[in-house]
Amino acid sequence: NAGVTQTPKFQVLKTGQSMTLQCAQDMNHNSMYWYRQDPGMGLRLIYYSASEGTTDKGEVPNGYNVSRLNKREFSLRLESAAPSQTSVYFCASSSQGSGANVLTFGAGSRLTVL
Amino acid sequence: GQSLEQPSEVTAVEGAIVQINCTYQTSGFYGLSWYQQHDGGAPTFLSYNGLDGLEETGRFSSFLSRSDSYGYLLLQELQMKDSASYFCAVRALIKAAGNKLTFGGGTRVLVKP
Repeated sequence: NAGVTQTPKFQVLKTGQSMTLQCAQDMNHNSMYWYRQDPGMGLRLIYYSASEGTTDKGEVPNGYNVSRLNKREFSLRLESAAPSQTSVYFCASSSQGSGANVLTFGAGSRLTVL
Repeated sequence: GQSLEQPSEVTAVEGAIVQINCTYQTSGFYGLSWYQQHDGGAPTFLSYNGLDGLEETGRFSSFLSRSDSYGYLLLQELQMKDSASYFCAVRALIKAAGNKLTFGGGTRVLVKP
């Protein structure tokens, strides 16, 4: 049982390049999330998807787009990377109702933008 | 919106007890959650308080007081492996806010021998 799987684990980009972070969960969860975590900081929500077919902005959505491809997959795209987007990105999923308080996180994707 | 405040760092010795406080300002929320994150790792769920009072899970306990806008995580019989960052989080009560969790800035706990 893999839980939440993110790819890639590490990526280095040059300013202006684009890339997509992939996330898949096998727990039949309805809700999925993308967070970023800067050194010594908490987790800030970029985008989330409460259920298949819906996506909503979080606290820091600028510079990102998302796609909820199906119930299992939720991707995060950087169209034109900037050094300020250097961070660790975590995908997470949860069930609904009271289960929404329990997030299962992926291992993280460490992105450096030069 | 939601705003959560935690101390940035706490240091203690093995076997000691540590209390991590979390004060919040929110227009309404379902409950208070706690997550643990080791350096280089992913956050993992520790506990959830949907109602006021104390929840105990082994060496860890969590408390919530809605009237005081306050909660805490209590780590007992500290072990070296408890060195990690601990985050409190709330889920907004407003339906339009969806299922998203808002996290505090985290408390780094350093356990010394």
